[in-house]
Amino acid sequence: AQRVTQPEKLLSVFKGAPVELKCNYSYSGSPELFWYVQYSRQRLQLLLRHISRESIKGFTADLNKGETSFHLKKPFAQEEDSAMYYCALTKGNKLVFGAGTILRVKS
Amino acid sequence: NAGVTQTPKFQVLKTGQSMTLQCAQDMNHNSMYWYRQDPGMGLRLIYYSASEGTTDKGEVPNGYNVSRLNKREFSLRLESAAPSQTSVYFCASSEGGTGLSPLHFGNGTRLTVT
Repeated sequence: AQRVTQPEKLLSVFKGAPVELKCNYSYSGSPELFWYVQYSRQRLQLLLRHISRESIKGFTADLNKGETSFHLKKPFAQEEDSAMYYCALTKGNKLVFGAGTILRVKS
Repeated sequence: NAGVTQTPKFQVLKTGQSMTLQCAQDMNHNSMYWYRQDPGMGLRLIYYSASEGTTDKGEVPNGYNVSRLNKREFSLRLESAAPSQTSVYFCASSEGGTGLSPLHFGNGTRLTVT
């Protein structure tokens, strides 16, 4: 069964420190993976998708099929990065979400 | 251009009461979805509608019904609310399948069942 695992409920880092939000998945086939973000008092929104190979707000994510991972990384955290982050996997016409990780960036 | 609009924003129900959560989108999207968000569980799909006139069950459909009234509107009904349905409910829409089209979310409905 397709599943997304985000092992950390909360990740707390200092401003300027590197950030890595972990995401592991189980999927039989070629997965399409995404990161969604929910800032305080804002709607849940797409951050980035692996097929685009893009960097959004300094974040990148590389699909590692060998380790079945899609970790989200940023070299230098900023306070405005504080939010809830969800990793998600396409399953047919549906998105399956992980449990989410709260990122807190401390000054 | 409001995007995805959900009503109401907050609701308190007693066990056994019924209610309908409304969702409308003005982006001419084909697909619409209902998710519930619970701490430690992430977002779980309740029902979705790939196109006007079709609906399908998601991961947690029990206790819910949906209606795709037209291309714009997708409602979620709780026939007999239970405390286990206390949650935040999100409606979302996408232009096509989720593989290529991002989901656009509403602001959510916070439902408490006592």
